[in-house]
Amino acid sequence: DADVTQTPRNRITKTGKRIMLECSQTKGHDRMYWYRQDPGLGLRLIYYSFDVKDINKGEISDGYSVSRQAQAKFSLSLESAIPNQTALYFCATSDPQDLNQPQHFGDGTRLSIL
Amino acid sequence: SQQGEEDPQALSIQEGENATMNCSYKTSINNLQWYRQNSGRGLVHLILIRSNEREKHSGRLRVTLDTSKKSSSLLITASRAADTASYFCATDTNLTNNFNKFYFGSGTKLNVKP
Repeated sequence: DADVTQTPRNRITKTGKRIMLECSQTKGHDRMYWYRQDPGLGLRLIYYSFDVKDINKGEISDGYSVSRQAQAKFSLSLESAIPNQTALYFCATSDPQDLNQPQHFGDGTRLSIL
Repeated sequence: SQQGEEDPQALSIQEGENATMNCSYKTSINNLQWYRQNSGRGLVHLILIRSNEREKHSGRLRVTLDTSKKSSSLLITASRAADTASYFCATDTNLTNNFNKFYFGSGTKLNVKP
């Protein structure tokens, strides 16, 4: 089983709909992140969380919200989806005690807003 | 923006050849990491090089860092078809509470022909 699991893997929806993307992890990491990936732009940070009581905005948080329901779960919501939110979304975790500081990524959710 | 920029955007080589990818960034960093992304999958951490290091090796990977030029290179020696993937550099800056916020580049797409 994957350490970082994202659901759904693919989603097509219409403008104005509310969308929730789920992320769960079995790594026991306190830190979790949401990124979006667009062609030619790399990954951009949307939100990050140090623990269940700590939520922080990233570079591009407008139009998004998050919820850290438990150490293992971090969900991303689009309250009213718009076409320019069409992208590949990744959840990641990290352990600040790991000296190599890797981020561990899920396999992504491909989201299309029509 | 501190975002890393990879060069070239795409690289096609024959199996057995070496592949070199470059990353440039704009501001001072704590660390620089390289990640690999296979098609349809999340990013996988390859290697981290700290700002006080100049070169690091891991198997067939060799990473260099030149902080005076604000650049890094990733060399994959004796490439294999399985190395076909996109490669990203990620630079970080220490914000608060020992949190290193990462900035990802737009990636180099490597194709290794058998």
